[in-house]
Amino acid sequence: GESVGLHLPTLSVQEGDNSIINCAYSNSASDYFIWYKQESGKGPQFIIDIRSNMDKRQGQRVTVLLNKTVKHLSLQIAATQPGDSAVYFCAETGSSNTGKLIFGQGTTLQVKP
Amino acid sequence: DTAVSQTPKYLVTQMGNDKSIKCEQNLGHDTMYWYKQDSKKFLKIMFSYNNKELIINETVPNRFSPKSPDKAHLNLHINSLELGDSAVYFCASSQDIPSGSTDTQYFGPGTRLTVL
Repeated sequence: GESVGLHLPTLSVQEGDNSIINCAYSNSASDYFIWYKQESGKGPQFIIDIRSNMDKRQGQRVTVLLNKTVKHLSLQIAATQPGDSAVYFCAETGSSNTGKLIFGQGTTLQVKP
Repeated sequence: DTAVSQTPKYLVTQMGNDKSIKCEQNLGHDTMYWYKQDSKKFLKIMFSYNNKELIINETVPNRFSPKSPDKAHLNLHINSLELGDSAVYFCASSQDIPSGSTDTQYFGPGTRLTVL
């Protein structure tokens, strides 16, 4: 079946350092990938997305990298701030065109002051 | 002016009861979704509706029934609640079915359901 996994359940970084959160997916037919941030007690919040015809996309302090060869997705956060502390999820569309998103397990990012 | 709103935020009830969770979006989106997030934070889709039509219906017990009175609302009714139904339920919406498009799903704040 389809699955999306993250390499580490928890990532602890020092404020100001760069963070890299990784995600592996299983379905090579997936053509759309998204990163979400979920703060405690809130719903997932869209961060950045990327389509399969790209390998890199940049936003404000965030960069998503897609390696289709090894089916790997990563989220890089530059100059990590305390407000970045949250659970981060990657999601993919899988082989469906119904809008169904398959979510990974989530990585908890802890930012130390 | 919340984009996707859910009520109630917290719901505590006894086993066997019937309850409903409401969701409304004011983004003018065509598609709405219900997700369940378990105690390990795993998010899984349950249903989606596009213009009031059921599009996705994952393997969910028949006790769960979504209802879409109009495209801005998608309610979730749960019959005969069980302990295992305890979770956080999220509503989401997107502009259209993202079949190869980049229509982002926007999530509500969630409803924490506790079944005693």
